[in-house]
Amino acid sequence: DGGITQSPKYLFRKEGQNVTLSCEQNLNHDAMYWYRQDPGQGLRLIYYSQIVNDFQKGDIAEGYSVSREKKESFPLTVTSAQKNPTAFYLCASSRGTTSYEQYFGPGTRLTVT
Amino acid sequence: KQEVTQIPAALSVPEGENLVLNCSFTDSAIYNLQWFRQDPGKGLTSLLLIQSSQREQTSGRLNASLDKSSGRSTLYIAASQPGDSATYLCAVPWGGTALIFGKGTTLSVSS
Repeated sequence: DGGITQSPKYLFRKEGQNVTLSCEQNLNHDAMYWYRQDPGQGLRLIYYSQIVNDFQKGDIAEGYSVSREKKESFPLTVTSAQKNPTAFYLCASSRGTTSYEQYFGPGTRLTVT
Repeated sequence: KQEVTQIPAALSVPEGENLVLNCSFTDSAIYNLQWFRQDPGKGLTSLLLIQSSQREQTSGRLNASLDKSSGRSTLYIAASQPGDSATYLCAVPWGGTALIFGKGTTLSVSS
């Protein structure tokens, strides 16, 4: 079955620790995205990548980093510089940007205490 | 910058009722508009994608319309069922990159 997988589903970390969220897709999509969802805020774009070895900052990139070494994978690292990291993180992919349908993974809920 | 608004924020209806969810956007220069469903604690499921050249798109009991000139889209759900209870989100691509989302309408259908 084609789709997007995110792991883990739940993640707990202590303040000051970096943590990496996994996102893998087998849809052969060129573009991949990371969004953050907070209650009452809607989804906001963190980073996106249109092609391997290239990525761009979204609206709220501060405190986050990404890599895109393989077409299938787009991991997100939440660093200790992120002030409010507790949130629901969603990964998405699409064939290309702009006019293509985006497909989402099941999400990772990160709790930092 | 593009802004997307969804009204109402929450809606409760009895089973069997037909209903309309609204989505408005401030800049009409969009390529398409996408409707999603989100169940609590889950990811987003794409329901319908309407290209800018289209007026309507249908899937089963769902019908989405798009009026670019007025900056509006509606999602019509026919004969609602308790299984339709979820949060519905609309989104438009912006800046050639990712999606701008509304905050969603949370629908509750009672049996």
